[in-house]
Amino acid sequence: EAQVTQNPRYLITVTGKKLTVTCSQNMNHEYMSWYRQDPGLGLRQIYYSMNVEVTDKGDVPEGYKVSRKEKRNFPLILESPSPNQTSLYFCASSFAGISYEQYFGPGTRLTVT
Amino acid sequence: TQLLEQSPQFLSIQEGENLTVYCNSSSVFSSLQWYRQEPGEGPVLLVTVVTGGEVKKLKRLTFQFGDARKDSSLHITAAQPGDTGLYLCAGDRTASKLTFGTGTRLQVTL
Repeated sequence: EAQVTQNPRYLITVTGKKLTVTCSQNMNHEYMSWYRQDPGLGLRQIYYSMNVEVTDKGDVPEGYKVSRKEKRNFPLILESPSPNQTSLYFCASSFAGISYEQYFGPGTRLTVT
Repeated sequence: TQLLEQSPQFLSIQEGENLTVYCNSSSVFSSLQWYRQEPGEGPVLLVTVVTGGEVKKLKRLTFQFGDARKDSSLHITAAQPGDTGLYLCAGDRTASKLTFGTGTRLQVTL
């Protein structure tokens, strides 16, 4: 089954404790992206990757890191999480082309206390 | 700065009614996508429109891309409870960056 998987689905952590949210896709997509979804603000892009070893900032990259060492995986790293990073996070992937139609993962709800 | 404004933000209607959701911008987009998101899940792509003036139909859903490629609309005919969800439009600003609207939350009751 074609899918994007994220782990963990739920995470409660404390300020400053490094964490990684994993994302994996099995559709051989070149393009992968991370978004955060907040009430009233919609989905905002954090980082994206056009292919292996190629990443770039989205609209809200501060406080986040990513890496793309393999085509299927695109982990999101929070080196020192803060409460304002409490949010619902989505990973998405697509073929690189005209429209970048996104396939989304199920989401990771992160709470930073 | 929110580049894509959706209206209305909330819509509660009864089964069988028709509705239209709007997605507006001052920017030109190469393409525009519509997604539907249900609680606890990620958004799911409904349609992509690419050409100005383009109209696409998906069963009871009709999508239109504005002639100038700055706006789009989603019309649902005879809404059903299964149409309930958050509808998101997303514009392709550059070759790789999507901008999402804030969404329209639709509730269809019996």
